[in-house]
Amino acid sequence: GAGVSQSPRYKVAKRGQDVALRCDPISGHVSLFWYQQALGQGPEFLTYFQNEAQLDKSGLPSDRFFAERPEGSVSTLKIQRTQQEDSAVYLCASSFGDLNSPLHFGNGTRLTVT
Amino acid sequence: ILNVEQSPQSLHVQEGDSTNFTCSFPSSNFYALHWYRWETAKSPEALFVMTLNGDEKKKGQISATLNTKEGYSYLYIKGSQPEDSATYLCAFENTGFQKLVFGTGTRLLVSP
Repeated sequence: GAGVSQSPRYKVAKRGQDVALRCDPISGHVSLFWYQQALGQGPEFLTYFQNEAQLDKSGLPSDRFFAERPEGSVSTLKIQRTQQEDSAVYLCASSFGDLNSPLHFGNGTRLTVT
Repeated sequence: ILNVEQSPQSLHVQEGDSTNFTCSFPSSNFYALHWYRWETAKSPEALFVMTLNGDEKKKGQISATLNTKEGYSYLYIKGSQPEDSATYLCAFENTGFQKLVFGTGTRLLVSP
């Protein structure tokens, strides 16, 4: 079956540009997560949705980062006025949301800000 | 700040060798411990979700143990194959909402 799909796979942005990263989760998965992985680090939590509700956005590094999931399915992570420190792999994951459920990850979007 | 540590950082073994990695995590407010395998150019793939102290899980030649009282988990690979080459990530959960705190991973390279 179809897994979690992310697009684009690679994105190069000039500093100051806005970018939008898309995540299409597995059908029926209520929970959706965004993680950021900087070079040499493990993935770090950004934000979490249960259906369309954003229940935790404590990991978003600044107010330039914004995520939405308006219909409880596809999610978009938007970064405004990108900075070089935003360069990272952005991973999206989804799950059924119950205890013992693993996360199902997409391939990630590698963002490079020049 | 929750700290999840993995060791070693990287490992290079020969085909057929058995190997193991360690994941250390806070021993308080434990909810679950996840293991993922991440091959280059692919997405992280779930290996195990462990919740009970003393739990042992097995998937093919890969197994994992969990000690929540002392805050560690071991991942074992018996008879490594080149296709086992990947980064192995562990992640700790203390909320029940699958908000995971990841370690930096152990990068395994298995040479033929």
